[in-house]
This record gives sequence, structure tokens and C-alpha cells, in this order.
Amino acid sequence: EAQVTQNPRYLITVTGKKLTVTCSQNMNHEYMSWYRQDPGLGLRQIYYSMNVEVTDKGDVPEGYKVSRKEKRNFPLILESPSPNQTSLYFCASSQYTGGSNTEAFFGQGTRLTVV
Amino acid sequence: DAKTTQPPSMDCAEGRAANLPCNHSTISGNEYVYWYRQIHSQGPQYIIHGLKNNETNEMASLIITEDRKSSTLILPHATLRDTAVYYCIVRVSGYSTLTFGKGTMLLVSP
Repeated sequence: EAQVTQNPRYLITVTGKKLTVTCSQNMNHEYMSWYRQDPGLGLRQIYYSMNVEVTDKGDVPEGYKVSRKEKRNFPLILESPSPNQTSLYFCASSQYTGGSNTEAFFGQGTRLTVV
Repeated sequence: DAKTTQPPSMDCAEGRAANLPCNHSTISGNEYVYWYRQIHSQGPQYIIHGLKNNETNEMASLIITEDRKSSTLILPHATLRDTAVYYCIVRVSGYSTLTFGKGTMLLVSP
């Protein structure tokens, strides 16, 4: 079954304690991205990657890092989490051909609370 | 990408057709219209997309006006499980970032 898997689904952590949210897809997609969703602000893109070792900032990258060492994995790293990073996070993947569009598949989300 | 305008909320009776409108008056010739939905804090789910022709799949139909300035997503027989926020997104071909607006909250009632 085609899917994007995020872990953990729920996480409560303390300010300043480094954490990683993992994302893995089984569709051999080149393009992967991270979004955060906050009430009243909707879904906003944090980072994206067009292929292995190629990453770029989205609309709200401050306080986040990503890496793309393998095609299937795209972890989101919070080096020093702060309460304003409390949010619902989604990972997504899609086929990137440069000339045609395919649907984006989203993970089930990670609800992060930073206290 | 062109901006889209959707009503904030709509109601529909179970079993009836749900017609969700979207205005995209500044759409350009190489931009597609995409529809996604999000069921209560789950990950967004792709529904359908089109360029200028009407499209149909197992989930829905997409009607795009001839001038491409607006479109309508049709769920032919809405069920309670179709209650969700529906997002209309305009996106350039080959450019993979999705920019989500506020969408339309569709409430399907018994």
C-alpha cells in the first residue's frame, strides 16, 4: 500500500530538548516536504526536497532542519524546540518530473507540544 | 500561483450532491486546479485535478468554466464521511509546492 509514515504521532517535550520527527515513503517519490498546521494560519510549508541531498526552505523554516540522505526518508529536526513550535506537522511526498503533476500523499500527522 | 476564493462553510444533506465552488479569476494558462480535503486533523487527501476539461474519478467530478476563472467540485452522493475541509489550489505545471488557503468546511448531515 502506498503510504507516507510519520513517527511519532504524538509528542510532548520540553523547551530546548532536541527532537527528530521521522518521515518515510514507499513510493520512490523524488519530492518530499514538511508542513505545519496551526489554527487560523492553515498549512504552511517548512522545508522541501526535490531529491536526495537537495533541500530548500519553504515559508516558515526558522527553527527547523531537514536532511535527505536517502530517497525514502526525510526527517524533520528541531535542534532546540520552543513553545511556538507547538503544532500539527505533516510530511508529504509526490512524484516530481518537472513536466507533469502527480498527487501529493500526506502522512497522518505528528502532534507536537513543547512545554 | 493564482489566488483562490472559497466559501468558508457549506452544508449538505446526506445522499445529496455537494457542489463546492472555487473562484480563481487570475489563473494563468499553465496553472492546474487541484482539490484536496482534510478530515479532522488527518493528513490532506488528494481528490482530483484538471487543466481545462471537466474531470471525473471515483471520488468526485471537477467542472471548470470555459474561461477557467472558476470551478466546482461535485461529490455526487455525499456521505457523513465526506465531512471535511476542502481546499481548492491552483498550481503551475511541474511546480510541486502546494499552497493551502483556508478552504471550505463541508458539513454533511443526516
